[in-house]
Amino acid sequence: GAVVSQHPSRVICKSGTSVKIECRSLDFQATTMFWYRQFPKQSLMLMATSNEGSKATYEQGVEKDKFLINHASLTLSTLTVTSAHPEDSSFYICSASTPATGGPDTQYFGPGTRLTVL
Amino acid sequence: GEDVEQSLFLSVREGDSSVINCTYTDSSSTYLYWYKQEPGAGLQLLTYIFSNMDMKQDQRLTVLLNKKDKHLSLRIADTQTGDSAIYFCAESMTGTASKLTFGTGTRLQVTL
Repeated sequence: GAVVSQHPSRVICKSGTSVKIECRSLDFQATTMFWYRQFPKQSLMLMATSNEGSKATYEQGVEKDKFLINHASLTLSTLTVTSAHPEDSSFYICSASTPATGGPDTQYFGPGTRLTVL
Repeated sequence: GEDVEQSLFLSVREGDSSVINCTYTDSSSTYLYWYKQEPGAGLQLLTYIFSNMDMKQDQRLTVLLNKKDKHLSLRIADTQTGDSAIYFCAESMTGTASKLTFGTGTRLQVTL
């Protein structure tokens, strides 16, 4: 159980185009979803936190107009990178959180999406 | 601010024990976690420890927490080649879907 999928797994696009990445919790309802960015050989940096039906909370330094997040349902969140540029090339990972009893709310991570902007 | 640090690289021989260390600065951390990331993949939660605990053991994994020194370690007994991956420690404040702050990651290489 607790599987999170991301689509696409890999995308190459031209500079100036927009790219949408989907994150789905397959067998559970996620009250909260998180979007992370990971540069090569570096740690994960939280970009934003989203709750179903409300606006996402962005971390300091993350442009909300560039990285549009839509959390349409308890099983789907989308990240759209608008007007992508080469510096947006990165590995984007989502996670979905579900309440737990007797322990922390666990974040289940998707397999990641590798974005390359030419 | 929050700062979580790890050594970058560790190499061990198959069958030996691995110890991966992590230091953090935020004393209000409630839960501390260890995640595993294989190449090109997302993160897999290995284990977590509540901040009022000193030790937690789960099969081949042993987590030690020294809250006074803000030091966390993950020991993997009988390390196997399949354990080769990047290991991240992480902390959260309340554990209730709050954001995770990840360490810099330690690449574990298991040699034959």
